[in-house]
Amino acid sequence: AQKITQTQPGMFVQEKEAVTLDCTYDTSDQSYGLFWYKQPSSGEMIFLIYQGSYDEQNATEGRYSLNFQKARKSANLVISASQLGDSAMYFCAMREFLYNFNKFYFGSGTKLNVKP
Amino acid sequence: DSGVTQTPKHLITATGQRVTLRCSPRSGDLSVYWYQQSLDQGLQFLIQYYNGEERAKGNILERFSAQQFPDLHSELNLSSLELGDSALYFCASSVEERGAAETQYFGPGTRLLVL
Repeated sequence: AQKITQTQPGMFVQEKEAVTLDCTYDTSDQSYGLFWYKQPSSGEMIFLIYQGSYDEQNATEGRYSLNFQKARKSANLVISASQLGDSAMYFCAMREFLYNFNKFYFGSGTKLNVKP
Repeated sequence: DSGVTQTPKHLITATGQRVTLRCSPRSGDLSVYWYQQSLDQGLQFLIQYYNGEERAKGNILERFSAQQFPDLHSELNLSSLELGDSALYFCASSVEERGAAETQYFGPGTRLLVL
């Protein structure tokens, strides 16, 4: 089974509107971490937000928030008030701690286009 | 700036050649990961090193090898290059502590073009 599933290959959103990028994960570990990265057309991978499996509150970082639903194993990224600069590829990732070291898994990504 | 450095930024070479990509992790990070990202593709995990030792292998070809040195910098060696090896190669680093808000920080990548 896929560890991280991003079902939206591409999405469009109107500037200033909010958008939700979906991510579901699969793990039997009790302690894990969930992350979102942004990759603009320039290529760099930019860390956006982190959610720990024991965190009771949803993580927020500025206009980014992570809608964490543990029972559903989902970790959707919400971007509020979209800006043109938000157009990029977005990757969801998970960290498990197995056999005394961390292992990271990445989804296939969602390409977000923000329309003026 | 993530604190992870990669050199060179761009590399153009010919088929059959050998190249070395270099990565310096963030200060204090013990783990280094290498990823390959082909055009419009996701990240393919290649290999992970922790404090000089190989920890995990992903889809790494036999023509590729890596090592992590005592000063924790890492090198990825790609040999007998083929056109299909053209890609963006990322290095990422992490502290490697269970229970911490452990994340990977990525370098800017090396863009390899094999002609």
